[in-house]
Parts: sequence; C-alpha cells; structure tokens
Amino acid sequence: DAGITQSPRHKVTETGTPVTLRCHQTENHRYMYWYRQDPGHGLRLIHYSYGVKDTDKGEVSDGYSVSRSKTEDFLLTLESATSSQTSVYFCAISLSGLAGVISYEQYFGPGTRLTVT
Amino acid sequence: GQQVMQIPQYQHVQEGEDFTTYCNSSTTLSNIQWYKQRPGGHPVFLIQLVKSGEVKKQKRLTFQFGEAKKNSSLHITATQTTDVGTYFCAGPLYNQGGKLIFGQGTELSVKP
Repeated sequence: DAGITQSPRHKVTETGTPVTLRCHQTENHRYMYWYRQDPGHGLRLIHYSYGVKDTDKGEVSDGYSVSRSKTEDFLLTLESATSSQTSVYFCAISLSGLAGVISYEQYFGPGTRLTVT
Repeated sequence: GQQVMQIPQYQHVQEGEDFTTYCNSSTTLSNIQWYKQRPGGHPVFLIQLVKSGEVKKQKRLTFQFGEAKKNSSLHITATQTTDVGTYFCAGPLYNQGGKLIFGQGTELSVKP
C-alpha cells in the first residue's frame, strides 16, 4: 500500500465549518494527489503536488485548498464545507522513477468518508 | 476536454460467466491503467499497458490496449465471487505530468 495513511477515516461536520484532511506517506514519493469519489463520477482529481510547496489544481478544485510543507504530508482543506462536498476522499501517490521520470501507476490510501450536514 | 468513458456502468453475472468492460478515450493515450476497487475499499492498481495492440494476462484477467491506443478492455474468464468490485481504467492527461483521468468505472456483481 506504499505506506499511505489518511486521517481522519470518517468525519461528520456542519455546513460552513473548516475541515482539514491529512495524507501521510512514509516513502518520500514526490507526487501526491487528492481525489474525490462520488457515485457515477468515478475518481475526480481535486489537487495534486509535485514537490514540497509545489501544488496545482485538478478538475474539481473549487472550494478546496492544499498545502505540502513536508514531503510526507499533503493536506486538503475545505475552507467552508458545503453539503456538495460530502464524498469519499482518497489520497494517492505516484511511484517516481529515475531522473524525474514519472511512473503513472498510482497507489491509494484507505480514504476518508466526509459527511457535511 | 479529454474524456475517458467506460461501459457498462453495471454488470451482474452468475458465477462462472465471463465479464468484459470497455474503456474509450477521446484522445490517444501514451498508456492505460486498470484499477480494482472492492466494496468499501480503495482503488488498487492492477496493470499498465503501453504498446499499441498489447495484451497482458493475469490469471483469469486479460487486458488489451487497442491498436490506435484510444481504447482498452478488461476480460475476466469464469468469474468468481472474489472478482466483485468496481473496475476503473485511467489514462494520463495529455502534457500534464503524472495526472490521470479516470473512467467512471464498471461495477461487477457476481451471484454465487
């Protein structure tokens, strides 16, 4: 499982509150990703990171921000949670090859189930 | 924008029957990957195909990459209850590093 953990695993929060989800990896992988999974939509990329302090938006980034101050931690923040952000959130890493070559295969954490009431 | 479509969305089979899911991309892909997600679990990488026309097998699973590198299929022979889950294909977003675009997935249920 590439040593990926996510916390919390379950969270229920109220509309308008800030929420931070944490992804932690133990193997110094450069590339990390946050996805959300909703029925009928598969996995959709929220944000990704290609190094410490290097992040970029995915296809569904509105309402989300990320930070990566250490290689091992990638944080996803919902500044003001809405009911439309009720979802399962997965963190993933890519196995980086030699000379910066990206290996496209991704390995996922166990997920965080977030409910916004 | 770039799209990856998967069909069917759901498939219900009797144990022992075969199963196939198809993946179609709106653009040519440099590679395609397949993942499996068990109910309540997380996606797990199965395989990556890179070459045009490539066929790879993993026990009862056969993966194909089309000649034009725009489509792919996963075929399971003689399904078992352990095959239950959702199968996703994914391809790299053009010129965007390691980012992937996923199909919507095919949910397979197997009746014993």
